[in-house]
Amino acid sequence: ILNVEQSPQSLHVQEGDSTNFTCSFPSSNFYALHWYRWETAKSPEALFVMTLNGDEKKKGRISATLNTKEGYSYLYIKGSQPEDSATYLCALLTYYNQGGKLIFGQGTELSVKP
Amino acid sequence: GAGVSQSPSNKVTEKGKDVELRCDPISGHTALYWYRQSLGQGLEFLIYFQGNSAPDKSGLPSDRFSAERTGGSVSTLTIQRTQQEDSAVYLCASSSPASAETQYFGPGTRLLVL
Repeated sequence: ILNVEQSPQSLHVQEGDSTNFTCSFPSSNFYALHWYRWETAKSPEALFVMTLNGDEKKKGRISATLNTKEGYSYLYIKGSQPEDSATYLCALLTYYNQGGKLIFGQGTELSVKP
Repeated sequence: GAGVSQSPSNKVTEKGKDVELRCDPISGHTALYWYRQSLGQGLEFLIYFQGNSAPDKSGLPSDRFSAERTGGSVSTLTIQRTQQEDSAVYLCASSSPASAETQYFGPGTRLLVL
């Protein structure tokens, strides 16, 4: 059974701080790793889909890396802004058939104070 | 364009009643998913529909839960004889054949069973 752990559970930073959080998994038996951002009262929004060991993705101030051999993915936010406040979810795509089941971690709740 | 829509946005029901939750996927998306988030838990997979293939029902927690997808578009999740532990946010997502790895989520239905 795939298990996804995220840490820390919550994080409080000041505007301008850079931060990072971790998604860890004991097995590399999955098809892809997803990062989602979920703001309160909104829909979860896809940030990155990562499919290869050593994969790196970047979108503006947010970037992510994946190391399937060591069993972790990092999400980095450079120069946090209050609008970055959200819960960041990591999920493993367990199989691929023009889509597939996502197994989610419990998320990291980020709060950025102005 | 229009995103995934869900109705109702909130539902309060009494224990033992049946409820129906509706999902309208993005037009042209062939895959449709249901997830739920119970209080203090991560997002949990329920069911996955892909075109005319048999759905992956492996996440449905009991036989009180069922889902159907009519005409390859709208989906209804039905919970019979609701229990208090069914209280959760129920999220629907869809994905397109062209970008099947990315799932687009709706805003969710918040279900409270009294």
